Amino acid sequence: DAGVIQSPRHEVTEMGQEVTLRCKPISGHNSLFWYRQTMMRGLELLIYFNNNVPIDDSGMPEDRFSAKMPNASFSTLKIQPSEPRDSAVYFCASSPTAGTDNTEAFFGQGTRLTVV
Amino acid sequence: GEDVEQSLFLSVREGDSSVINCTYTDSSSTYLYWYKQEPGAGLQLLTYIFSNMDMKQDQRLTVLLNKKDKHLSLRIADTQTGDSAIYFCAESRDNAGNMLTFGGGTRLMVKP
Repeated sequence: DAGVIQSPRHEVTEMGQEVTLRCKPISGHNSLFWYRQTMMRGLELLIYFNNNVPIDDSGMPEDRFSAKMPNASFSTLKIQPSEPRDSAVYFCASSPTAGTDNTEAFFGQGTRLTVV
Repeated sequence: GEDVEQSLFLSVREGDSSVINCTYTDSSSTYLYWYKQEPGAGLQLLTYIFSNMDMKQDQRLTVLLNKKDKHLSLRIADTQTGDSAIYFCAESRDNAGNMLTFGGGTRLMVKP
């Protein structure tokens, strides 16, 4: 398996533009997570899906952020409109079915977003 | 709420042992993790420990958990230059162990 795949790896956009980050979880994993990493705030959980359903989105910073998981193999994180303070590395992670003994969360390589 | 704290920086010489410390506040944590992040890369799970254990050893890595003091440490024996990275402590409360709260990360620098 290729692991968790995120695209793009790098994104530079102008303030006010819409940005869409993409994630393909590991096949067979039922849980998917979006994290944001910044120097000031470290790693923060934004949203968590289980079986394609958003379970906890309390970490989503504001209404400009939205996430979807239309099927088990794809998720998007959208920022509209983007602002310079959204600049960060965004990680997607997936893990097997909740409640099992396998607790490992596998992370993608991240998307480095720069909003100018 | 949950809080996980780590020191920012650690420097050791190649061949020495490294000890990275972490404290957490949530007494209901079920799993505690150590992740490694190399430059430009995602997070790689190194090891984890269940909250009813106090020690776990995996090759050069030893994890010690003091649940009473809510203190977790990662010891790397015979540290190599390839171990230079940022190490994140994380905790989780759910059964899946994957809704993680991370510490700020400790940057380990290994000098030859």
